[in-house]
Amino acid sequence: GNSVTQMEGPVTLSEEAFLTINCTYTATGYPSLFWYVQYPGEGLQLLLKATKADDKGSNKGFEATYRKETTSFHLEKGSVQVSDSAVYFCALSPIQGAQKLVFGQGTRLTINP
Amino acid sequence: DTEVTQTPKHLVMGMTNKKSLKCEQHMGHRAMYWYKQKAKKPPELMFVYSYEKLSINESVPSRFSPECPNSSLLNLHLHALQPEDSALYLCASSGTGTGWKVQFFGPGTRLTVL
Repeated sequence: GNSVTQMEGPVTLSEEAFLTINCTYTATGYPSLFWYVQYPGEGLQLLLKATKADDKGSNKGFEATYRKETTSFHLEKGSVQVSDSAVYFCALSPIQGAQKLVFGQGTRLTINP
Repeated sequence: DTEVTQTPKHLVMGMTNKKSLKCEQHMGHRAMYWYKQKAKKPPELMFVYSYEKLSINESVPSRFSPECPNSSLLNLHLHALQPEDSALYLCASSGTGTGWKVQFFGPGTRLTVL
């Protein structure tokens, strides 16, 4: 079946540190991959996406590259800010049943000034 | 406009009450979704509407009753809920066909059942 495994949190970093949150997936074929972010007390916001192998999604300084060979979609940011503190969810949309997003468990990120 | 709106933001209800959650989008999306999210967990899909018809019901108890009056609106009617139903209820919308893939979420309604 389809599944997403995310790096367990919580993750605590200092401002301006480099961020990596690991995400690997299991799915048939080439699913679409997403990172969503949830700030405290809010809904989910789409952060970035990639729909085919070697695609790089980017937004607000965050990047993730769709790696078919390693079935991974790791989230990176070169210099984090306090305002990046949130919960990050990796998700996939399978080829069959695309409307059923499959989420990872989420990674809580805290950035200290 | 890439916004999904939800009302109310917070709701407290007793186990004998009847209440409704509302969701609205004006992106022309023809698929709309209800999710339930418990603390420190990812969202769990409850229902999917496609072209105003219920296409997926993830074995949700009948005390939750969805309704899609038109292509922009989605309601979730609540009746005889249990305390364990307390959660954040999220609405989302997406295109259909190849546009199924990107779902846009609203801010959620935080429900407390006493």
